[in-house]
Amino acid sequence: EVQLVQSGAEVKKPGESLKISCKGSGYSFTSYWIGWVRQMPGKGLEWMGIIYPGDSDTRYSPSFQGQVTISADKSISTAYLQWSSLKASDTAMYYCVRHCSSTSCYARAFDIWGQGTMVTVSS
Amino acid sequence: DIQMTQSPSTLSASVGDRVTITCRASQSISSWLAWYQQKPGKAPKLLIYKASSLESGVPSRFSGSGSGTEFTLTISSLQPDDFATYYCQQYNSLWTFGQGTKVEIK
Repeated sequence: EVQLVQSGAEVKKPGESLKISCKGSGYSFTSYWIGWVRQMPGKGLEWMGIIYPGDSDTRYSPSFQGQVTISADKSISTAYLQWSSLKASDTAMYYCVRHCSSTSCYARAFDIWGQGTMVTVSS
Repeated sequence: DIQMTQSPSTLSASVGDRVTITCRASQSISSWLAWYQQKPGKAPKLLIYKASSLESGVPSRFSGSGSGTEFTLTISSLQPDDFATYYCQQYNSLWTFGQGTKVEIK
């Protein structure tokens, strides 16, 4: 079964660092981009950034550039989203997604989503 | 940046109604547009990709059309399971979501 499995919910204090993960299985991890999508409570979806694990090519939304870091370890089929100093406004659900990189399946957009990781930042 | 604007933001409809949601891009995105459905507490689910291609397993009452800057998602006969929030997304240049359309019971 093709799936993205994310790490569990986190409760952190402002100023703390955090790294959440997304593990892919059931497909060739290095053939797909892995992206991150934020959803603040009661709000819409926001694309944050994306990485190609094959060569670590990374793109960020201008809204999130410099605010987070996306990385991947292809040896364990896992992508990461990290913060160096959390703010209360980072409280949100974070989803990882995959997007096929080849021309044969690029059209299928974000076809698989992780279950989401809830991050709560509160003093 | 490419901006995506959906309308309406909220739509009240009854079971059996034909429902149409519009998505406009701030510049041409060819047909690089997807539609997603999200239910409360769940991850979004891909419905339509490349503007009009139905994702496997998605009921045929869902359809998408458009190209360039104007796109529509149509539900031909609204079913109880379809009450949810719908998002469009462009993937012509980076990736951007619309703000969402909530389909609620009339």
